[in-house]
Amino acid sequence: GGIITQTPKFLIGQEGQKLTLKCQQNFNHDTMYWYRQDSGKGLRLIYYSITENDLQKGDLSEGYDASREKKSSFSLTVTSAQKNEMAVFLCASSAGLGVNQDTQYFGPGTRLLVL
Amino acid sequence: QQQVRQSPQSLTVWEGETAILNCSYENSAFDYFPWYQQFPGEGPALLISILSVSDKKEDGRFTIFFNKREKKLSLHIADSQPGDSATYFCAASVGNMGYKLTFGTGTSLLVDP
Repeated sequence: GGIITQTPKFLIGQEGQKLTLKCQQNFNHDTMYWYRQDSGKGLRLIYYSITENDLQKGDLSEGYDASREKKSSFSLTVTSAQKNEMAVFLCASSAGLGVNQDTQYFGPGTRLLVL
Repeated sequence: QQQVRQSPQSLTVWEGETAILNCSYENSAFDYFPWYQQFPGEGPALLISILSVSDKKEDGRFTIFFNKREKKLSLHIADSQPGDSATYFCAASVGNMGYKLTFGTGTSLLVDP
């Protein structure tokens, strides 16, 4: 088994601020993901990284940057926080490289509130 | 455009009843359909999944029924328990892009004791 750790658990920011969320996994998985979860909207993919040194944009990448520092870690930066923004950011990892039935394992999330 | 749709948005059943959660999709290339279960304050976790070559998949009290022609599937939770109260997400992917899931908006299930 393994675990995904996300830091911080809660993040309160100011409008226009640059905010960084971090994710660590010890599954030794190749692929990592960042999703945004808004109430009533499901999960939307922001960025993913198929292997170390790879970075791919998802459907919601505008306003975000990502960095795969090493195989076990993947960071997400909100480049300019929007006033009254409230969402949960979920990190996930999976073993395969484009493999069907590739289970994604999720972390507990970082809850963002922008004042 | 929402490629994976779920209904109802919320559902309440009595303990012991069968809960039925529905999912439909638009992309006929989707061939892998996992269902994820999420409890408050936690990330989603894989519950059960099905490939489009099958029309049914069972795992204990959880069963997926799949209709490829109508692009619909449903998750049946038999003998529902209060501990099943959670949000359930239907997701889909294309075989050669199995790592890129498209999620539905979820169904919030409450099981009343």
